[in-house]
Amino acid sequence: QKEVEQNSGPLSVPEGAIASLNCTYSDRGSQSFFWYRQYSGKSPELIMFIYSNGDKEDGRFTAQLNKASQYVSLLIRDSQPSDSATYLCAVNILGTYKYIFGTGTRLKVLA
Amino acid sequence: GAGVSQSPSNKVTEKGKDVELRCDPISGHTALYWYRQSLGQGLEFLIYFQGNSAPDKSGLPSDRFSAERTGGSVSTLTIQRTQQEDSAVYLCASSRDLRDTIYFGEGSWLTVV
Repeated sequence: QKEVEQNSGPLSVPEGAIASLNCTYSDRGSQSFFWYRQYSGKSPELIMFIYSNGDKEDGRFTAQLNKASQYVSLLIRDSQPSDSATYLCAVNILGTYKYIFGTGTRLKVLA
Repeated sequence: GAGVSQSPSNKVTEKGKDVELRCDPISGHTALYWYRQSLGQGLEFLIYFQGNSAPDKSGLPSDRFSAERTGGSVSTLTIQRTQQEDSAVYLCASSRDLRDTIYFGEGSWLTVV
C-alpha cells in the first residue's frame, strides 16, 4: 500500500461547480497535511495546509481532515478553468522530516 | 532571495557524464529538500538538509547521487555517470524549519541522451 494515495483522474467538473479531491494516507503518525497545485511544466505551489481534524477554509478552497478515517480532502468552490491543474496531497509524518507526496489528481474545469 | 532559485533550469547531457544541480533556498530557511519528479509521476524524496547536515539520505537512488550544502545556504546535487533513467525534473524546496511548510523552486529539467 502506498503511503499517500490519490485518484489520478482526470476529474472533470463544469465551470462554477464544486470540485472535490480526496487523499488517503496509511501512517497514523501523520501530523501535517498539505495541498499543492501543479500546473503542467511548473513546480508545485502551496494552496493550503491543515493540522487539526475538521475543516479549514481559505477563499474558494476548503481542506477537510479526518484522522480517524485517515483521509484529507480539498474542495474547490466555484471552479474556474484556471483551476485546471494537478493537485498533490502531501503528508508530514510525526517524528520524521519527510514530506510524502501522492501522485496527484488531475483536475479539468470545463468552460 | 524572494523564492527558491535553481540552476540550470534545463540541462541536456550525454549518458555517462556528471552533472551538478544547484539550489539557493529562501533566505533564512534552515531546511532544504531535494525531490525528483519523472514525467507524469509523483514526487520522489531524495534527501533533506538541516543546516549543512543531511540526516536522511535514504532516498538517494544510488551511490551515483550525492548532495552537499555549505554555509547553511546553497546546496548542490551531483549525479555521476548519468543514465537515461536519471532524466527527470529535480525539485529543490526549503522551509523555515523542519516540519514547516515547504516551498519549491522551479526545478531543473535534466535530460540524459
